[in-house]
Amino acid sequence: EVQLVESGGGLVQPGRSLKLSCLASGFTFSNYGMNWIRQAPGKGLEWVASISSSSSYIYYADTVKGRFTISRDNAKNTLYLQMTSLRSEDTALYYCARRHTMGITSDYWGQGVMVTVSS
Amino acid sequence: DIVMTQSPSSLAVSAGETVTINCKSSQSLLSSGNQKNYLAWYQQKPGQSPKLLIYLASTRESGVPDRFIGSGSGTDFTLTISSVQAEDLADYYCQQHYSYPLTFGSGTKLEIK
Repeated sequence: EVQLVESGGGLVQPGRSLKLSCLASGFTFSNYGMNWIRQAPGKGLEWVASISSSSSYIYYADTVKGRFTISRDNAKNTLYLQMTSLRSEDTALYYCARRHTMGITSDYWGQGVMVTVSS
Repeated sequence: DIVMTQSPSSLAVSAGETVTINCKSSQSLLSSGNQKNYLAWYQQKPGQSPKLLIYLASTRESGVPDRFIGSGSGTDFTLTISSVQAEDLADYYCQQHYSYPLTFGSGTKLEIK
């Protein structure tokens, strides 16, 4: 069974940093690209970043480019999102999701981890 | 960036009725190379993570009931839910998976009368 479990969220002050992790199991992690997608409270879905299976290709939303870094450790079956210079508008539930084999959409999603940016 | 415009924003139907949700993209999602449309539909039930229903505009993900039908091509797409059931109460989102940045529609809230 595919499982994606996010961790590392919490309350953080504006301007500070936070690193999210996503532990994958139930599939060969190193064969799949991965996505981070977020959802602000009561709002819709916003794609944040994507990384290919070997980390060769990385993409970011303009809203986080230069502040967030997506990475992965295939030996540890773990996806990361390093977030710096956090803003109140980064407050959201952050989902880790596996990229579908038939394109760059997402077939399996974690339960999400909440990040709240507030003083 | 490709802008996804979804309508309606909400609708309420009785169980057994058919529902249509529309999604329009600001540019074509049809690949000239393989003639496939890169459009996905997600269902998000209250308090849950999104679930992939449809990809490539009309291909149902494994395990998705056949009452969920995706159609359309180019810039205009539709999700049809036939014989709506109480368990279909959810938010529905379209997403283009044609190019980065990936973009979503604003969502449609489906309520059951």
